[in-house]
Amino acid sequence: EAGVVQSPRYKIIEKKQPVAFWCNPISGHNTLYWYRQNLGQGPELLIRYENEEAVDDSQLPKDRFSAERLKGVDSTLKIQPAELGDSAVYLCASSPGETQYFGPGTRLLVL
Amino acid sequence: KNEVEQSPQNLTAQEGEFITINCSYSVGISALHWLQQHPGGGIVSLFMLSSGKKKHGRLIATINIQEKHSSLHITASHPRDSAVYICAALQGAQKLVFGQGTRLTINP
Repeated sequence: EAGVVQSPRYKIIEKKQPVAFWCNPISGHNTLYWYRQNLGQGPELLIRYENEEAVDDSQLPKDRFSAERLKGVDSTLKIQPAELGDSAVYLCASSPGETQYFGPGTRLLVL
Repeated sequence: KNEVEQSPQNLTAQEGEFITINCSYSVGISALHWLQQHPGGGIVSLFMLSSGKKKHGRLIATINIQEKHSSLHITASHPRDSAVYICAALQGAQKLVFGQGTRLTINP
């Protein structure tokens, strides 16, 4: 069975540019998470979806970050405009219940 | 103060040594996860436990709910065990609160 798929794996952009990340969760998993992980830190939740509904986006910086999961399956996370401090690994995870399954992450470097 | 604290932050040991990584949490939890993250790789769930002890191969995880403390042990450590080990507290059914991770390096 395929795991959580994320693309791209790496992205380098200049500050003030937009960037988008894509996640395809494990088939049948209704819950989808986006996390941000800074170097040497544990992941921090950005947003959680139950099907197509964002049920927890309290930690999402809404001035520049947006996310969508229109059909309740795959999801995109966008940053516009990117800032230097956005350099991090962006992890997507999906879950059928309590256990979360993580994707490989997208490593973003903002120059 | 973080809700989930791990120690040590970095650990270097020789192959064969017994490894212990500690996790303390200050929030109410329904379960606790131990996760493994290899450089450039995704996160893999090792254990989810809500009481007592679990064992998988050379890995052992214990939790003391009263003391709000969990430990991950690795017996007969091997260089391939080198990774970041992350403790995460499950609040309710869905919310994970992560520790900052412990970077383990096992030298041959």
